[in-house]
Amino acid sequence: ETGVTQTPRHLVMGMTNKKSLKCEQHLGHNAMYWYKQSAKKPLELMFVYNFKEQTENNSVPSRFSPECPNSSHLFLHLHTLQPEDSALYLCASSQDIGNEQFFGPGTRLTVL
Amino acid sequence: GENVGLHLPTLSVQEGDNSIINCAYSNSASDYFIWYKQESGKGPQFIIDIRSNMDKRQGQRVTVLLNKTVKHLSLQIAATQPGDSAVYFCAEMNYGGSQGNLIFGKGTKLSVKP
Repeated sequence: ETGVTQTPRHLVMGMTNKKSLKCEQHLGHNAMYWYKQSAKKPLELMFVYNFKEQTENNSVPSRFSPECPNSSHLFLHLHTLQPEDSALYLCASSQDIGNEQFFGPGTRLTVL
Repeated sequence: GENVGLHLPTLSVQEGDNSIINCAYSNSASDYFIWYKQESGKGPQFIIDIRSNMDKRQGQRVTVLLNKTVKHLSLQIAATQPGDSAVYFCAEMNYGGSQGNLIFGKGTKLSVKP
């Protein structure tokens, strides 16, 4: 609906697994973002990419590794996560940094 | 530190009534504000935005008011409908100071009673 798609929509993984979240935007935007949404906490910005270059890393643990191969695709690689990493992971894009952000539906991640 | 917060975590209104959702911000340098709506199972959806050179902006059934003196933002929804039930987030941005990154409040859950 918003032009930003995320897969998978739901993911359950063990602490020793490696998985990846995918985000794709069909809006021709130049900036893409990863957010974490936990219960009872505000949306937390994790990473920002502008023209495929990472411009922000909000002190995110190294077990989260982003990848932006082009302006339309954004990945979040997950490795040896903790149960407290269980959350809704949202991807967003904007025309440029500082513009309105359009969000995808999110991936609901559960770490066992 | 700078933060954006919401006065009320939950708001219950009767269908057809007007709703007012409030938000306080503490960064006087913020120059762009957005209201998002998040329905269950979906990502946040843009509702309306306002820049700091304005104090009021109207959309379809929604109005955002900005009071820079007291650092207060509100979202007014006219003739609230059941489809308006969702969590509403305000977000602020200081383009020069934060590289254009949005800072979100905790959210207010709006429930519309039929």
